[in-house]
Amino acid sequence: DIVLTQSPALAVSLGQRATISCKTNQNVDYYGNSYMHWYQQKPGQQPKLLIYLASNLASGIPARFSGRGSGTDFTLTIDPVEADDTATYYCQQSRNLTWTFGGGTKLELK
Amino acid sequence: EVQLVESGGGLVQPGRSMKLSCAASGFTFSDYYMAWVRQAPKKGLEWVASISYEGSSTYYGDSVKGRFTISRDNAKSTLYLQMNSLRSEDTATYYCARWATTAEFDYWGQGVMVTVSS
Repeated sequence: DIVLTQSPALAVSLGQRATISCKTNQNVDYYGNSYMHWYQQKPGQQPKLLIYLASNLASGIPARFSGRGSGTDFTLTIDPVEADDTATYYCQQSRNLTWTFGGGTKLELK
Repeated sequence: EVQLVESGGGLVQPGRSMKLSCAASGFTFSDYYMAWVRQAPKKGLEWVASISYEGSSTYYGDSVKGRFTISRDNAKSTLYLQMNSLRSEDTATYYCARWATTAEFDYWGQGVMVTVSS
């Protein structure tokens, strides 16, 4: 299985940039696409898609969110961070037909 | 508007069975792969199972393989998860999710809680 590794937590100040990383143990690129996606989950809510195929902004998501990366290294950036962004962020790969998630990164405000 | 509404959860004893349902609306159900993802209390997300458009292909996570069965009824726009031989470690909120053509889970239900306990 493809394993995704995220740092457990990140603390940033309001208005600053947050960079959340996700590293995989196998390449998730295939035919020009990176099969890496990002979700936001707030307590008591279902996950919400933020970024698909590494860098594409999902519908209705503000441009403060962006994603980049390829191969085995990916990042989600929030710039600038707003109070409403406190949540847990998960990366997820769909390179093969066994989908896996990272352990999640909890974003907190300093 | 895309909607996914799960039902069928609750308290069940270890070793027993339970069947979850997910009613879909707002899109052509048969045009999409569908999946179940779960989240144990205070834990991260875990993919459980996925199913192809007509149900001819199914995929399972290692922790549920041989015990859970995913199925769908396209005429009713409904996804199912039959869970047998339930264990305490199956306690979780179970989410129904739509698998987009670009391979991400683009819509999620609100989730249904399953508690396995004697």
